[in-house]
Amino acid sequence: DIQMTQSPSSLSASVGDRVTITCRASQGISNYLAWYQQKPGKVPELLIYAASTLQSGVPSRFSGSGSGTDFTLTISSLQAEDVAIYYCQKYNSVPLTFGGGTKVEIK
Amino acid sequence: EVQLLESGGGLVQPGGSLRLSCAASGFTFSNFAMSWVRQAPGKGLEWLSATSGSGGSTYYADSVKGRFIISRDNSRNTLYLQMNSLTAADTALYYCAKVAMPGPPNWFDPWGQGTLVTVSS
Repeated sequence: DIQMTQSPSSLSASVGDRVTITCRASQGISNYLAWYQQKPGKVPELLIYAASTLQSGVPSRFSGSGSGTDFTLTISSLQAEDVAIYYCQKYNSVPLTFGGGTKVEIK
Repeated sequence: EVQLLESGGGLVQPGGSLRLSCAASGFTFSNFAMSWVRQAPGKGLEWLSATSGSGGSTYYADSVKGRFIISRDNSRNTLYLQMNSLTAADTALYYCAKVAMPGPPNWFDPWGQGTLVTVSS
């Protein structure tokens, strides 16, 4: 099975900073990748699908890129409300594996 | 508005069984695959199982294959997860999630609020 590895596992940044999270697949998955945000105590919410397509209603400071095995989620200007754990998920085939998550905090 | 409401969680003894339900509304249920995802306390997301819109195709993670059974009743707009031979490692919040696009399982949107399963003696 394809493994999904996220890095870093956690990060702390200042409001206004540019934040980049990486997700690496152990084999190529084309662009079959989604990103989710899970705020503390809340349900996961879809941010991005097809590696780079922003879900309706998601702020434009979020963006995704990549194809094949290497993907990134970027927050162009970190806001206090972005404190959350971010997960990538592959969906090219089952199992629909999630990455281990990246916890984003405010410095 | 799409709504997913899970139920059926609770405290169960090791070796026991439990059936979770997810009542769906706000979309044509039979047109979409559905999935179960769990999250152990303080841990990440783990995909468990999915079923096609008709229920004719089912998929499982290795961790639950042979113990859990996913099913759906399209006449009742309800998704189920029958969980057998439960162990402490199955303690988690169990989410029902709608597969976003018709066709094979893909990304999830939205998710239900979850139902908590605790396996303990």
